Amino acid sequence: EVQLVESGGALVQPGGSLRLSCAASGFTFSISTMNWVRQAPGKGLEWLSYINTVGTAIYYADSVKGRFTISRDNAEKSLYLQMNSLRVEDTAVYFCARGLSHFDYWGQGTLVTVS
Amino acid sequence: QSAPTQPASVSGSPGQSITISCTGTSSDVGGFKYVSWYQQHPGKAPKLIIHDVSNRPSGVSSRFSGSKSANTASLTISGLQAEDEADYYCASYTSSSTRVFGTGTTVTVL
Repeated sequence: EVQLVESGGALVQPGGSLRLSCAASGFTFSISTMNWVRQAPGKGLEWLSYINTVGTAIYYADSVKGRFTISRDNAEKSLYLQMNSLRVEDTAVYFCARGLSHFDYWGQGTLVTVS
Repeated sequence: QSAPTQPASVSGSPGQSITISCTGTSSDVGGFKYVSWYQQHPGKAPKLIIHDVSNRPSGVSSRFSGSKSANTASLTISGLQAEDEADYYCASYTSSSTRVFGTGTTVTVL
């Protein structure tokens, strides 16, 4: 069974940093492209970042470019999101999702509150 | 990158068909075959229901279908059922190699 499990969400002050993790199981992580997507309370989905299988192709939404960094460890079957200079408007549930042109598997999300 | 526009809400009676539009630009929806649709129930993770404009993943009901014309993609739900009441989002690949979600549509079954 495919599983993606996010962790690392917490309450953090504006200007602070946080690192989210996404543990993958049930599929070959090393050949899967991955993404981070977030959803602010009561709002829609927002795509944040993409990383290819080896980390050589990385893209960000303008809203997080320069503040967030996506990375992966294929040996650990894990995806990461380093979030710096956090703002109140970054408060959201953060999902990791597998996919290139679409997102076929999603985690349940981890809540980040900036306040 | 602006989000493709979806109607905020669409409603229908059980058994009816409804269509949700997703209007973008030639730099996203209109420029690529990589349009997908997601269903999200409250408190749950999104679920992929259509990919590459009109393809249904295994296990997704055939009542869901997708299409695209120019800069507008559409999701049709036929034979509307109570369990279809949820939020629906389109998503597209973009000319900047990023991805973008639509504004989202709440479907209500009357």
